[in-house]
Amino acid sequence: KAGVTQTPRYLIKTRGQQVTLSCSPISGHRSVSWYQQTPGQGLQFLFEYFSETQRNKGNFPGRFSGRQFSNSRSEMNVSTLELGDSALYLCASSLGDAQETQYFGPGTRLLVL
Amino acid sequence: QKEVEQNSGPLSVPEGAIASLNCTYSDRVSQSFFWYRQYSGKSPELIMSIYSNGDKEDGRFTAQLNKASQYVSLLIRDSQPSDSATYLCAVTSRGSNYQLIWGAGTKLIIKP
Repeated sequence: KAGVTQTPRYLIKTRGQQVTLSCSPISGHRSVSWYQQTPGQGLQFLFEYFSETQRNKGNFPGRFSGRQFSNSRSEMNVSTLELGDSALYLCASSLGDAQETQYFGPGTRLLVL
Repeated sequence: QKEVEQNSGPLSVPEGAIASLNCTYSDRVSQSFFWYRQYSGKSPELIMSIYSNGDKEDGRFTAQLNKASQYVSLLIRDSQPSDSATYLCAVTSRGSNYQLIWGAGTKLIIKP
């Protein structure tokens, strides 16, 4: 079974621009969660989508948004980029109930200049 | 606010010894417990999941769950330098709408 894929792997943007990141979950998985991780920091939860609906949301500003398509692929968008948005963005997929493990993609490393 | 607490470390352990990593959680109705390993610059990978009180062993790794005391631990026997990484504890329940609540991670260093 193919794992979680994320595109692009690396991205350089400038302040004020917007960016869209993509995540393709493991086949059959209906839940996709997004996380932000900065150097030395733990995983900061952004949001989770399950069957095209946002099921959970973290404490990030409205500049961070996401969506999920009918094939469970998910996109995350960040508008009006700030220097502090430079981070590793991880997505993780699971079947979607409490006992199911989340499997992570390799991440997208975003650098904002 | 549901929380998961871990000692940030670093925890330094000699090669060949047992490394013991601990995690406490605040939500009494938590159902599922996970340990992930994350190497620097890489994404987290699952080591163990545990759902019932007691011990669960997988090779050199043993997860221990005590729901009454609200803690979960990970033991690594015969520690190897390749075990040096950050270990993340995560907990979920129906009460959190299946959202995984993550600890900040414990950095483990295995000294040759």
